[in-house]
Amino acid sequence: QVLLQESGPGLVKPSGTLSLTCAVSGASISSSKWWNWVRQSPGKGLEWIGEFYHIGTTNSNPSLKSRVTFSVDRSKNLFSLNLKSVTAADTAVYYCASALTSVALAPSFEYWGQGTLVTVSS
Amino acid sequence: QSVLTQPPSVSAAPGQKVTISCSGNPSNIGHNYVSWYQQLPGTAPKLLIYETDRRPSGIPDRFSGSKSGTSATLGITGLQTGDEADYYCGTWDTLSALAVFGGGTKLTVL
Repeated sequence: QVLLQESGPGLVKPSGTLSLTCAVSGASISSSKWWNWVRQSPGKGLEWIGEFYHIGTTNSNPSLKSRVTFSVDRSKNLFSLNLKSVTAADTAVYYCASALTSVALAPSFEYWGQGTLVTVSS
Repeated sequence: QSVLTQPPSVSAAPGQKVTISCSGNPSNIGHNYVSWYQQLPGTAPKLLIYETDRRPSGIPDRFSGSKSGTSATLGITGLQTGDEADYYCGTWDTLSALAVFGGGTKLTVL
């Protein structure tokens, strides 16, 4: 059983940077799994942000790609998301999720964190 | 506006069967695997079906998935009140190079 736990500020100012981490237990961040971020705006559907593989391979939603960066801390078994130049439209519940393979091959997010609400407001 | 189209809501009585449709196009459902997720109120989505028709360990066989052309279907038999949730389909869109989801379907068990 893989457990994921998101953490980070719940409030970010417009034009600032949203930074979240996802702590992983039950699997190594350096395993064959792919690590994803998905968000859900209040009352809305799901939006894929991007995926990260531990050797550095990444894929991002083209609409967010210019603002997104991923990183990994192997010593702490966690991965992170940075989303810069945020606006109110980035207000959402952010989930980290694991996948057995790249979403480009077979999108199936097997384990999810509980999610963390990030509000963009001054 | 979601890339994949789902009915906003479906309903059925306990013990009955319900199907939820997910309509796409050749660049997404028509060319790629489909997955389905259940989201109970206030919780994270849970994987129900992957690779179009496969169930993860622990998911009862009351849940099934299928695909025909550019549409996919989630079937749920023996409905229980605990099945009341939002259900989402997802796939890869080869043309846009991103994972896409449906807008979600709210299942009510009457």
